[in-house]
Amino acid sequence: NAGVTQTPKFQVLKTGQSMTLQCAQDMNHEYMSWYRQDPGMGLRLIHYSVGAGITDQGEVPNGYNVSRSTTEDFPLRLLSAAPSQTSVYFCASSYDSGSGNTIYFGEGSWLTVV
Amino acid sequence: GENVEQHPSTLSVQEGDSAVIKCTYSDSASNYFPWYKQELGKRPQLIIDIRSNVGEKKDQRIAVTLNKTAKHFSLHITETQPEDSAVYFCAASIDDMRFGAGTRLTVKP
Repeated sequence: NAGVTQTPKFQVLKTGQSMTLQCAQDMNHEYMSWYRQDPGMGLRLIHYSVGAGITDQGEVPNGYNVSRSTTEDFPLRLLSAAPSQTSVYFCASSYDSGSGNTIYFGEGSWLTVV
Repeated sequence: GENVEQHPSTLSVQEGDSAVIKCTYSDSASNYFPWYKQELGKRPQLIIDIRSNVGEKKDQRIAVTLNKTAKHFSLHITETQPEDSAVYFCAASIDDMRFGAGTRLTVKP
């Protein structure tokens, strides 16, 4: 029973490099989202998706791209990494958006940009 | 979009005392208000939630209250134990879920 799986768990990038954080869920959830967590700032929504082929911006989308080609996968792409993107990233999924459905988080990905 | 504010940012209580964390939200259309607990190095996990048609919900030592008119909701933990020490997040949801900045709760034995 995998739930929400994120890879990699830890990554160090150099400024200007690009990378993709992978997220997959096996619960047939329609809603998936990415958050970043920084000290004292809680969980801030980067991008979210309410179903395959549909994505939307959250609070802090700049510097990140997403796509949702399948229900299961929701990768987050950093186009040109900056030190300000050093953070812990959480992928999350839910049966559908809003309406009181529990959100389940992945284990997190610790990203450092030097 | 929705804006959620959470207070206090840190809270220290003695074991056995009660702890209260308060949140306000901005969008009256928000209809779902969960609370998550996050231990150090772990993912956030749901501990209790409340929907907009309910004013109060209780689960053992944890309770949540919602005041829709004032747009605020609170988490109450009674008889606190050292294992309650963690960071707690409130959230509000319409089409997406927005979180407060978190409260670091420390329960001193």
